[in-house]
Amino acid sequence: AQKVTQAQTEISVVEKEDVTLDCVYETRDTTYYLFWYKQPPSGELVFLIRRNSFDEQNEISGRYSWNFQKSTSSFNFTITASQVVDSAVYFCALSGFFGNEKLTFGTGTRLTIIP
Amino acid sequence: EAGVAQSPRYKIIEKRQSVAFWCNPISGHATLYWYQQILGQGPKLLIQFQNNGVVDDSQLPKDRFSAERLKGVDSTLKIQPAKLEDSAVYLCASSFHQLTGLVGNTIYFGEGSWLTVV
Repeated sequence: AQKVTQAQTEISVVEKEDVTLDCVYETRDTTYYLFWYKQPPSGELVFLIRRNSFDEQNEISGRYSWNFQKSTSSFNFTITASQVVDSAVYFCALSGFFGNEKLTFGTGTRLTIIP
Repeated sequence: EAGVAQSPRYKIIEKRQSVAFWCNPISGHATLYWYQQILGQGPKLLIQFQNNGVVDDSQLPKDRFSAERLKGVDSTLKIQPAKLEDSAVYLCASSFHQLTGLVGNTIYFGEGSWLTVV
């Protein structure tokens, strides 16, 4: 069975601070994908990133960066110099490979950026 | 490119009534999903279609929920009769199956249909 844990229910930071959202996962699959989605108040889940299990290189996209550590089954997400528009609920998710793409989501972290 | 379209966006019904949600996936996407998201929780898969066939409906409450994707394009999710605990956002999503190689399939979501059962 697959499981994703986001222990931080809510985080509030002042604008321009850096913030890290934690994600820990469990799976018996040897190959899998990890995802982060952003859910603004409108409700749509916005895709941010997908990483496969055999690529542990960290990734940076603008103010966003992701740290994938297979040894600790973690896939953490850092926002640098946070902005008010970053306020949303962020979900970490896990899926299998081809033929098993069902996403298993964590419970989400509500991030509030205080102006 | 148009995203995943869903309607209606909002619906309020009384318990024991019925409701139907419609979804049109991204053009060309073979796989379609319906997820249920209860307030404060992560989305949970209800049903997955590959073209017009069901791949996974293990978490669909089949006594009251039904879904179809007759022509392999758009889909309808129906709840009949609705219960109070069905109040949730129903998210439709789609992805594209590439049959060559280990190409990952990112799942793209619609804005959701918000259901309140009173």
